[in-house]
Amino acid sequence: QVTLKESGPVLVKPTETLTLTCTVSGFRMGVSWIRQPPGKALEWLAHIFSNDEKAYSTSLKSRVTISRDTSKSQVVLTMTNMDPADAGTYYCARRIEDRLGWYFDLWGRGTLVTVSS
Amino acid sequence: DIVMTQTPLSLSVTPGQPASISCKSSQSLLYSDGLTYLYWYLQKPGQSPQLLIYEVSSRFSGVPDRFSGSGSGTDFTLKISRVEAEDVGTYYCMQGRHIPPTFGPGTKVDIQ
Repeated sequence: QVTLKESGPVLVKPTETLTLTCTVSGFRMGVSWIRQPPGKALEWLAHIFSNDEKAYSTSLKSRVTISRDTSKSQVVLTMTNMDPADAGTYYCARRIEDRLGWYFDLWGRGTLVTVSS
Repeated sequence: DIVMTQTPLSLSVTPGQPASISCKSSQSLLYSDGLTYLYWYLQKPGQSPQLLIYEVSSRFSGVPDRFSGSGSGTDFTLKISRVEAEDVGTYYCMQGRHIPPTFGPGTKVDIQ
């Protein structure tokens, strides 16, 4: 069965570093992280390709790192210097890499992150 | 980054009636392979987004045929031929032609 599941802290303090984990099963393809502030639109953050190359959001590339732990079938996102504006639901999603277009056919349920002191 | 806009931002529809959402991109989404990389997602309340339409007009697996997509270049439309109660939620267009992929602001659809 093909699934993605996000995990990580529910609450982080301002200026802290957020670390989220996406545990995948049933595939080894590209995985992206996408976030959604409460009541707002979706924002793509980062992607790790099946060959472990990486791509980052233009506006967040200085704060975001994506990596893979193959032994654990996990994709990890770290975001430094967290701010209340970074609060929201963080999703990991699968990208089918045999097509040139970027799209995400399978999403995790998301994990809600609050940023507060 | 490519800017995606959607109109309207909210829509109230009577069950059984049609609905239409417009999406525009700040640059063409046509690629040299002849394909146009525009996608539609539906996010039902409390759920993750789910893919409805890929490459402008192809329905994803399991998507009912009352959903259809059209358009070219920078102008696109999602149509629901007869809205059902289960179609409520927020619809997002997304461009996958240019990196980073970017989403529209969303169109919230509810039932009258």
